[in-house]
Amino acid sequence: DTEVTQTPKHLVMGMTNKKSLKCEQHMGHRAMYWYKQKAKKPPELMFVYSYEKLSINESVPSRFSPECPNSSLLNLHLHALQPEDSALYLCASSQVVNRGNTEAFFGQGTRLTVV
Amino acid sequence: DQQVKQNSPSLSVQEGRISILNCDYTNSMFDYFLWYKKYPAEGPTFLISISSIKDKNEDGRFTVFLNKSAKHLSLHIVPSQPGDSAVYFCAASEKGWGKLQFGAGTQVVVTP
Repeated sequence: DTEVTQTPKHLVMGMTNKKSLKCEQHMGHRAMYWYKQKAKKPPELMFVYSYEKLSINESVPSRFSPECPNSSLLNLHLHALQPEDSALYLCASSQVVNRGNTEAFFGQGTRLTVV
Repeated sequence: DQQVKQNSPSLSVQEGRISILNCDYTNSMFDYFLWYKKYPAEGPTFLISISSIKDKNEDGRFTVFLNKSAKHLSLHIVPSQPGDSAVYFCAASEKGWGKLQFGAGTQVVVTP
């Protein structure tokens, strides 16, 4: 099973709304990631969790709040977003390795539109 | 500052022929390189990877070549099939996991 599941697939929210994106994996991966992809652009890293602790925050605005409640779940809480935050939000997971390399597996993404 | 560059935004190739996608990087600390394939409105799908200690890795129709001195890698797809039509992203990381830096992508169209 190499599946990363994201819900919802599509989300439309107003600038005053609070919503959450959810991500789940059952591959035993202890690293989980949020990426943001704008149209015609490559994915850009937002956050990395390693062993359920936030290890990388790529200077993301505080209106995005990640949460890793356990080793299988990753959430992204959204509040007071701007229209320019509309994008495809991708969750990924991978092993954490001390030596060697490993690939990241991505979910299908949540297409977010802020109105 | 784009540390991973894919200078060809698009590539058109005939079915059955070879597709060659190129990628350059600037960060000498990168030690693991990956290729992902992406269809519209879907997440990237891992294709193939290569460690910096190797210069070639092959998996079926896909072969990745790495030239460390030139900071260049390429993906060869042979033979190309219509289902290969997608956007291909080159990505790189340090220490083999964690932060992936993606190139801008190359749109591949395989024509009959």
